[in-house]
Amino acid sequence: AQRVTQPEKLLSVFKGAPVELKCNYSYSGSPELFWYVQYSRQRLQLLLRHISRESIKGFTADLNKGETSFHLKKPFAQEEDSAMYYCALRATWGSQGNLIFGKGTKLSVKP
Amino acid sequence: GAGVSQSPRYKVAKRGQDVALRCDPISGHVSLFWYQQALGQGPEFLTYFQNEAQLDKSGLPSDRFFAERPEGSVSTLKIQRTQQEDSAVYLCASWGGAAPLYEQYFGPGTRLTVT
Repeated sequence: AQRVTQPEKLLSVFKGAPVELKCNYSYSGSPELFWYVQYSRQRLQLLLRHISRESIKGFTADLNKGETSFHLKKPFAQEEDSAMYYCALRATWGSQGNLIFGKGTKLSVKP
Repeated sequence: GAGVSQSPRYKVAKRGQDVALRCDPISGHVSLFWYQQALGQGPEFLTYFQNEAQLDKSGLPSDRFFAERPEGSVSTLKIQRTQQEDSAVYLCASWGGAAPLYEQYFGPGTRLTVT
């Protein structure tokens, strides 16, 4: 079964500290992996995807197929990073298929 | 341009009532998705349209849930005889963008509370 697991419901760090939001997935093929973010009172929006291999707002994520993980990292957290973060999987590469989401991790960055 | 819009933003229904939730996708987006997000959970897939064709409705939780997109643009999610377990945020997303970086663009959601 396709599944995305985010083990932490809440992650609280101080400003300037490194952040790692964990995501593990279960899928036998070659999925597409995404991180979505939802800031307070805003809609869900794409943060980054593994095929782009880019850094967005200082965040990066590397797909580790051996560990079936796609952890989100940022070396120095900022207060404006406080938000809900969802890891998501799409089973069919490049398709218009639906996303499978984890339960989300709430990141709180304290001053 | 305008993003995905949904209406109403909030809906309170008494148990047993029927509700209709509307989604206006981004103009020109062929594919449209509905998700249900219960409190403390991630969004869960309900159904998917390509133009007016409903290609996947495997996520609809019961036959009380019905979705349509008759002209391939606006979509309506209808829930008949609402139950308390239907209380959730219902998200609509349309799919598009520039190749190869297509993505799903989400609406603000409709928060349904069944009392």
